[in-house]
Amino acid sequence: QSALTQPASVSGSPGQSITISCTGTSSDVGSYNLVSWYQQHPGKAPKLMIYEVSKRPSGVSNRFSGSKSGNTASLTISGLQAEDEADYYCCSYAGSSTNYVFGTGTKVTVL
Amino acid sequence: EVQLVESGGGLVKPGGSLRLSCAASGFTFSSYSMNWVRQAPGKGLEWVSSISSSSSYIYYADSVKGRFTISRDNAKNSLYLQMNSLRAEDTAVYYCARSSPRYFDIDYWGQGTLVTVSS
Repeated sequence: QSALTQPASVSGSPGQSITISCTGTSSDVGSYNLVSWYQQHPGKAPKLMIYEVSKRPSGVSNRFSGSKSGNTASLTISGLQAEDEADYYCCSYAGSSTNYVFGTGTKVTVL
Repeated sequence: EVQLVESGGGLVKPGGSLRLSCAASGFTFSSYSMNWVRQAPGKGLEWVSSISSSSSYIYYADSVKGRFTISRDNAKNSLYLQMNSLRAEDTAVYYCARSSPRYFDIDYWGQGTLVTVSS
């Protein structure tokens, strides 16, 4: 099972919106509405930001939103803030034997 | 408060073995599937293994199949990963992670334990 493809880096100015793409295949992203997104600050554990493509866990800012079209999922961060600077990983369920497949990761820089 | 605390990491020679442990607290451990996810230095996240709440279902990534064994002790609220025939490419921070009640995502992560495979 190959990793999902994400851009290595995305940047934006404070207040702007950015979108991170996550491209998989018809065996993972395209087959299930089970894409999640994780934020990871340096030296810290990942944090769940989005689950089931577009749902936010309690406590996560509504500036974070998710969507999916075909084999590609997306995470949008609106009203970019300094604390959003981190690495972001998508993840998709990929069937009972493979379970989870993660994306390659995207470093978000706030200019 | 949910807490996952890993231990057992360290330096091991290629071909050696290591057993990781994860102590869980703050939730009913026996009701949740659990996972190990690793992250090589400067690299991305890689799912390693999953185990269902009663140990009935166990899954491994192809990269560790036949070398790693996941297990749990619900009476001790503990998760384990026995790692044998270790290779340099197994060097990573290993995270203990709880599957959400939905199963298809991970809602809590430990702080990780570093495993270094080097001669």
